[in-house]
Amino acid sequence: AQSVTQLDSQVPVFEEAPVELRCNYSSSVSVYLFWYVQYPNQGLQLLLKYLSGSTLVKGINGFEAEFNKSQTSFHLRKPSVHISDTAEYFCAVSRVSGNTPLVFGKGTRLSVIA
Amino acid sequence: DADVTQTPRNRITKTGKRIMLECSQTKGHDRMYWYRQDPGLGLRLIYYSFDVKDINKGEISDGYSVSRQAQAKFSLSLESAIPNQTALYFCATSEVSYNEQFFGPGTRLTVL
Repeated sequence: AQSVTQLDSQVPVFEEAPVELRCNYSSSVSVYLFWYVQYPNQGLQLLLKYLSGSTLVKGINGFEAEFNKSQTSFHLRKPSVHISDTAEYFCAVSRVSGNTPLVFGKGTRLSVIA
Repeated sequence: DADVTQTPRNRITKTGKRIMLECSQTKGHDRMYWYRQDPGLGLRLIYYSFDVKDINKGEISDGYSVSRQAQAKFSLSLESAIPNQTALYFCATSEVSYNEQFFGPGTRLTVL
């Protein structure tokens, strides 16, 4: 079975500073990886996904993530955050083959400070 | 119009009442899911359905039941609501190929 660990439950960062939200996964088979964002009082929306190919994935709002198979990680980064990036971020993993749902991490709350 | 809709968006009820949360989708996806979100616990899967005739329990199915009335509709029921079922509930859909999920706006349920 797959599992996801988001290493930080809360990350405070000043506006215009860089940020990294860490995600590690566990799986014995090949996986797809996702980052979702939940803005206050809203549902979840897809930020970016890794399916295959280039290990550096670019998403919406200037975010990017790098798939590292040897370290089983999929960390999310942004070089300069804005107040509007304040949200909860969820990492998720899915098996490439097999009928199993996404497995989500517990989330990281990013707070951008002016 | 939203691709995944949930009704109601907010509901306050009393302990012991039967509650139904409804989800509809226009994405044409076969797969549908129900999650609950609690602070600090992330998203936990309640039930999922990979087609109309397929229903599977998730991580926390006790106290819940579901009905897949059609490809586009997936309902979650609390037969006898209790206060610890107070949470934010999300419905989601996905394609078969990559499992990328698309979420509804959520239903905030409060059980008094």
